Amino acid sequence: AQTVTQSQPEMSVQEAETVTLSCTYDTSESDYYLFWYKQPPSRQMILVIRQEAYKQQNATENRFSVNFQKAAKSFSLKISDSQLGDAAMYFCAYRTTQGGSEKLVFGKGTKLTVNP
Amino acid sequence: NAGVMQNPRHLVRRRGQEARLRCSPMKGHSHVYWYRQLPEEGLKFMVYLQKENIIDESGMPKERFSAEFPKEGPSILRIQQVVRGDSAAYFCASSPPRGSVETQYFGPGTRLLVL
Repeated sequence: AQTVTQSQPEMSVQEAETVTLSCTYDTSESDYYLFWYKQPPSRQMILVIRQEAYKQQNATENRFSVNFQKAAKSFSLKISDSQLGDAAMYFCAYRTTQGGSEKLVFGKGTKLTVNP
Repeated sequence: NAGVMQNPRHLVRRRGQEARLRCSPMKGHSHVYWYRQLPEEGLKFMVYLQKENIIDESGMPKERFSAEFPKEGPSILRIQQVVRGDSAAYFCASSPPRGSVETQYFGPGTRLLVL
């Protein structure tokens, strides 16, 4: 079974600076999807960024980018120019591409604090 | 385009009562997923449904929990004879039919508190 590990329970960053959140996963599959979701205090789950494993290019969405290292099974999230609104729990998630199993497997999350 | 809707947002039940949680997927989405989030934990998959079919229920507890997604109307997650350990946030997500990167879009969640 696939597992997702987020080794940093909490992180903090100064406003306008850059922070990187770590995620590693374990799988025997060669094709899959990876996601980062944000959960602010409202607890709504918001998609931040996604990556298809077959794509070598790292995904980027505005101030958010990933460092996808397939061989190392690592999928870190970089947040540039951090803003107060970025404060939230961040969850890394894995999804198989095999038919019949659509579930997301989540890590336990990293709580990000942004200091003014 | 309205997002995934869940109701109620908050639900309080006494031990032994039944809880019914509803989820209306995004327009055009035919796949629904239910996840449970215990305090200080990540989300755990419970069940994956398409219209009138349960596709994967590998995360559902064997007793007291059931889910449906009828041809008409919202998906329902039903918990019978609730216990305190059922207190959690229950999230529904939906995605479009296969053929694309089927990102799951989440609803706001239902917070269940069992007294």
